Amino acid sequence: DIQMTQSPSSVSASVGDRVTITCRASQGISSWLAWYQQKPGKAPKLLIYAASSLQGEVPSRFSGSGSGTDFNLTISSLQPEDFATYYCQQANSLPLTFGGGTKVEIK
Amino acid sequence: QLQLQESGPGLVKPSETLSLTCTVSGGSISRSEDFWGWIRQPPGKGLEWIGSIYYSGSTYYNPSLKSRVTLSLDTSRNHFSLKLTSVTAADTAVYYCARADSSGYPESDFQNWGQGTLVTVSS
Repeated sequence: DIQMTQSPSSVSASVGDRVTITCRASQGISSWLAWYQQKPGKAPKLLIYAASSLQGEVPSRFSGSGSGTDFNLTISSLQPEDFATYYCQQANSLPLTFGGGTKVEIK
Repeated sequence: QLQLQESGPGLVKPSETLSLTCTVSGGSISRSEDFWGWIRQPPGKGLEWIGSIYYSGSTYYNPSLKSRVTLSLDTSRNHFSLKLTSVTAADTAVYYCARADSSGYPESDFQNWGQGTLVTVSS
C-alpha cells in the first residue's frame, strides 16, 4: 500500500495568511494526487485533482503543486470559510489511500 | 445535479452484518465513465477507502477489509450497496458513498459524495 503522510497535522493561522500543507507519498505516484476539504459534520469536498487541477468552482486562492512523492496545497489568502481539515489522497494505485489530515485553525 | 444518499441501520450488533445502500439521483449509475465507492471515517479520525464498483459489476476492495466486504449495484433502482460482515466496535464510523468520474479506471479521486451516515457497532 502507498502511505500518505501529511504535515503539519494542524496549523493556526489568521485570515489573510498564506498557508501551505504538505503531503508525501511513500513511493512515486506521478501526479495522481487529490486534495479534499472537510468541515465538521460534512462530507469531504474535492478541491484539486491530478495534483494541480482545480475542481469545478473552487476559488483560485487554492492551488496544488508537486509530482512524484512530494506535494503541496497552498491557500494564498486564508478566508473565514477555509477553516477546515484538509486531506490528500493518492489515485495512482489500489488500495486508494488518504493522508491523516491537516486541521487549519483560527489563530 | 448528481446527488448521493446513504441509508441503512445506524446501530449494528457485534458479529452481525452492516448493510448500507447509496441511492443516486440526478444521474445514472450505468455511465461507463464512473466508479461508485464507499469510504469510511471513524469518529475523530481519517478517511479509509473500503472499495469501488463499476457499472458492469466489477469490484475492487481494500485488502484490509476484503474478506468481509461485498459491494453490489442495482441499475434498475439506480443504487449500489455495501455489506460488511462480522463487525466489531472498530467498524464504528461515518460511512460515505461517492462517485469517481474516472474514465473507467478504479484508481481515482471522488468528485461527488453523499452526506454520510453514522453506523455504531454496539450490543
